Amino acid sequence: SQQGEEDPQALSIQEGENATMNCSYKTSINNLQWYRQNSGRGLVHLILIRSNEREKHSGRLRVTLDTSKKSSSLLITASRAADTASYFCATGTYNTDKLIFGTGTRLQVFP
Amino acid sequence: SAVISQKPSRDICQRGTSLTIQCQVDSQVTMMFWYRQQPGQSLTLIATANQGSEATYESGFVIDKFPISRPNLTFSTLTVSNMSPEDSSIYLCSVLKTVSGANVLTFGAGSRLTVL
Repeated sequence: SQQGEEDPQALSIQEGENATMNCSYKTSINNLQWYRQNSGRGLVHLILIRSNEREKHSGRLRVTLDTSKKSSSLLITASRAADTASYFCATGTYNTDKLIFGTGTRLQVFP
Repeated sequence: SAVISQKPSRDICQRGTSLTIQCQVDSQVTMMFWYRQQPGQSLTLIATANQGSEATYESGFVIDKFPISRPNLTFSTLTVSNMSPEDSSIYLCSVLKTVSGANVLTFGAGSRLTVL
């Protein structure tokens, strides 16, 4: 399968703590994206990092990309109960419009 | 970004029946994608729906089981045919937007199907 792997599968933290999720993929990519899904609903795009970038920030989100290791991480700082959701990485390649989604991390933030 | 209305939001279906899911976009889009998300799993692409041509199906998905229509640039339907309990999933439509040369997806809220 070309699907990316994410770890951990599940993560439980207290409000105010940081949450880190990791994504590994198998093919050469053009970009890597992170999406959020609340309670089995539709996914919402969070942030995109290109293959020639190493780090990207957006608000409380920080994404890193290591193309030599074919891995990425998403850091959510100062987490809130409202951050409780599933987070998916998705990779885009040069020769197709399709995105391949990772296995996802379920994040639970306790107030 | 595009706003996608998907319906039904959920349904409970009997084995052997078929259900059609509708996806309406508030702007014209070239490519629409249909994904399946089985319980507790990630998203798997079913097919790409392009207006004016046959849908392109991914490995493991066939037109007889998942017929797709794309009559215009703002609408698509996915039918799940002859359903079995294994078809219980969330079905999601999405549209492509190009942001600074990269493809980003906008999703509908999903249709949660339970097959008894």
